[in-house]
Amino acid sequence: DGGITQSPKYLFRKEGQNVTLSCEQNLNHDAMYWYRQDPGQGLRLIYYSQIVNDFQKGDIAEGYSVSREKKESFPLTVTSAQKNPTAFYLCASSLEGFRPEAFFGQGTRLTVV
Amino acid sequence: AQRVTQPEKLLSVFKGAPVELKCNYSYSGSPELFWYVQYSRQRLQLLLRHISRESIKGFTADLNKGETSFHLKKPFAQEEDSAMYYCALKGTGRRALTFGSGTRLQVQP
Repeated sequence: DGGITQSPKYLFRKEGQNVTLSCEQNLNHDAMYWYRQDPGQGLRLIYYSQIVNDFQKGDIAEGYSVSREKKESFPLTVTSAQKNPTAFYLCASSLEGFRPEAFFGQGTRLTVV
Repeated sequence: AQRVTQPEKLLSVFKGAPVELKCNYSYSGSPELFWYVQYSRQRLQLLLRHISRESIKGFTADLNKGETSFHLKKPFAQEEDSAMYYCALKGTGRRALTFGSGTRLQVQP
């Protein structure tokens, strides 16, 4: 059953701690993306990766880091440098070229207390 | 820089009324435009893309390059259309989607 999976669904962390959000896809997609969704602001791009071992900053990359060691996986680390980390995080993937539209995961809601 | 603007946060209509969700964009090249929809407790999913020029669930959207708009329209709204709608742009320079802030459509019985 092909798809894109984010885990966990809910995550709670104390202020000052780093936390890593998981995103896995078995769609054989080359490109993967991380977006942050806040009420009234829509989706804002954090990082994206077009190919393994390569990634680019999006519009709000400060305080976040990523890695792309495998085609299937694109984990996002929210560091203590991110000033307002409490948000809903969405991962997406796409097959470039013929069908560039993205497929989205179900999201992870991160709450920092 | 590329930008997508959805001026309405909330659009409330009655069942059977026409619907138009506005989307304007700013991009110097030739963009690809998309509409995504998020129903309650479901994943964000693609509704339609301008290249296909198709009608999905009765919705259509026409790219107007002169007005830099990609408004989503449906002649007769249904209650099941109630959802959050996002307009998105993909440019050639950055190979990632840029989203608008979204419009919540409420279709009342």
